[in-house]
This record gives sequence, structure tokens and C-alpha cells, in this order.
Amino acid sequence: LAKTTQPISMDSYEGQEVNITCSHNNIATNDYITWYQQFPSQGPRFIIQGYKTKVTNEVASLFIPADRKSSTLSLPRVSLSDTAVYYCLVGRYGGTASKLTFGTGTRLQVTL
Amino acid sequence: DTEVTQTPKHLVMGMTNKKSLKCEQHMGHRAMYWYKQKAKKPPELMFVYSYEKLSINESVPSRFSPECPNSSLLNLHLHALQPEDSALYLCASSPPTGQIEKLFFGSGTQLSVL
Repeated sequence: LAKTTQPISMDSYEGQEVNITCSHNNIATNDYITWYQQFPSQGPRFIIQGYKTKVTNEVASLFIPADRKSSTLSLPRVSLSDTAVYYCLVGRYGGTASKLTFGTGTRLQVTL
Repeated sequence: DTEVTQTPKHLVMGMTNKKSLKCEQHMGHRAMYWYKQKAKKPPELMFVYSYEKLSINESVPSRFSPECPNSSLLNLHLHALQPEDSALYLCASSPPTGQIEKLFFGSGTQLSVL
């Protein structure tokens, strides 16, 4: 599965839009991208998942360009409670359970 | 029920003890995972079970022994652990093969080895 690269940390003020980019240069045709959020001493929580173009749900948007070598998680109007670590994972569709490996993640700090 | 339940939440054990971590889900998921997470590090994959069979072992030391008694339960048996094995142990499950993998995590067991 493709290795992912993200910025180690980001800072934002409350109310701003935050964009976190993940690089996955070796993504394969049947791979998809999933983002997770993790708070301290808790398990990661699914945020959003996509294959190409744009996906939006009630908490975030995911932008994937045509070459799919990167993806951007967009969090609109962040609040203090969005302070967490965000991970992007690349997984394979339709196969057996795969080695879903976490990269370093991006530590987002939101302040007033 | 959309939860993955892990017990115990906290565990302190000596290096000579034998203990077990338990994970349970009732979402009909057929893939179950064990991850280990050290402080300020990403989760590291340990084991993957697919349809109750061990499909991936990431070269984990034999002092960690996984078991999947049925499709809803996953255990991790611990024996003769080392202090460096202290970590948050996370269990996850994912929908059946043929669907896109989406991990549902439990809250983890915080393990301290003395």
C-alpha cells in the first residue's frame, strides 16, 4: 500500500478553515483514501473517505486531484474541540483485510 | 450497535504475569485488528484477522498471542511482557471483504508493564 506523508503539525485560530494535505505518490488504481481524527487516549475516529474528486460530509470535505497522488482534508471553521491528530490512510478496495498503516499524522492545534 | 468495546480500560502487570485484553463488536464486521500506540506516535499495526483467521502478523514477538474465538470477539493474550511494551492497545474492526475498509476503533487499553 502507498506510503503517506503529512505535515507534522499545524496551528490555526478558531473559526478559520484548515486544510491538511497528504501525499501518497504510489497510490494504486484500486486504492482509496481515508482520514481519521484522534484525541489523546482515544482510538482514531473516521472522518471522511474518498476515491477521486470531492467528497463532503457534515464535518469535512476531501479533495482529491485527478492524478490522486495527494489529497486535502478541509475542516471549515475549526473550533477548539478540533485540536487533535489527523491521519490519512490509503487502503485497498475489495480485497481481503489489508495492512492499514498509519503515517506520522498531523497534529492540529486550534487556539482562540 | 456501532461500537467496539475494549476491556479493561487500564491494566498494570508485572513482567511475569499473564493477562488478556478483550475486544468485542456486534456490527457484523469480519475483519478485526490489533494496533499498539506509544505516546505521541501513530498506531502501529500488530495483527489482522479476516473471517476469524489470522491474515497478517507484523512480526510481533510471541509474548503477544492473538485469538479470535468468533466473529464478534478478539483477544490479545499477554505473557512475559517487557516494560517497553507499555502502550495503548487499540482494537479495530472493519466491514466485510468486498466493501471499502473503514476502521472502527475501540477506546483502547492503557497497559503499563512494571
